[in-house]
Amino acid sequence: GDSVTQMEGPVTLSEEAFLTINCTYTATGYPSLFWYVQYPGEGLQLLLKATKADDKGSNKGFEATYRKETTSFHLEKGSVQVSDSAVYFCALTLGRGNKLVFGAGTILRVKS
Amino acid sequence: GAGVSQSPRYKVAKRGQDVALRCDPISGHVSLFWYQQALGQGPEFLTYFQNEAQLDKSGLPSDRFFAERPEGSVSTLKIQRTQQEDSAVYLCASSLLAGVNTGELFFGEGSRLTVL
Repeated sequence: GDSVTQMEGPVTLSEEAFLTINCTYTATGYPSLFWYVQYPGEGLQLLLKATKADDKGSNKGFEATYRKETTSFHLEKGSVQVSDSAVYFCALTLGRGNKLVFGAGTILRVKS
Repeated sequence: GAGVSQSPRYKVAKRGQDVALRCDPISGHVSLFWYQQALGQGPEFLTYFQNEAQLDKSGLPSDRFFAERPEGSVSTLKIQRTQQEDSAVYLCASSLLAGVNTGELFFGEGSRLTVL
């Protein structure tokens, strides 16, 4: 079945460090891909998305590129801040589906 | 309110009790979703409503789980005869359009259920 695999956390970085959170997927067909973020005490919110191969999603300094050849959608940020500390979820949906399939989430902790 | 509201935020139930979890989606949102999130895991799909119609309930783990959205707005997830494996955070999400094509789901903070 369709699935998403994320790198295990927690990931602990110092402020201004470069961030990569790996995400790979397995899907029958051509999914749309998403990153959701959950800040402490809040609900999940959409961070960025890409709907076809080679698309780059970006928001709040975060970027991810849809790589069909490697079935990946890695999240990157050039310089993290303490306020980026959260749980990050990679997700996919297929076609005209009704569901998002989520990865297990990666905890990011940024120290000042 | 402006966001998706869920209640109760925390629920402790004894094994065998029935529970009801409520979701108030964003006003005017067509789609409503329920997800179950076990500790340390990502959310897993339970069921989907388009207005009042339950179009997909493929993720409900057993017939003890039942969801409704009778007037196309507020939704209730009911779990009968709770078991310890039902302990999880139950997330509700809504979106303006039908389905998840745009991926922009608005999530509530969840209802954390603990079954003793």
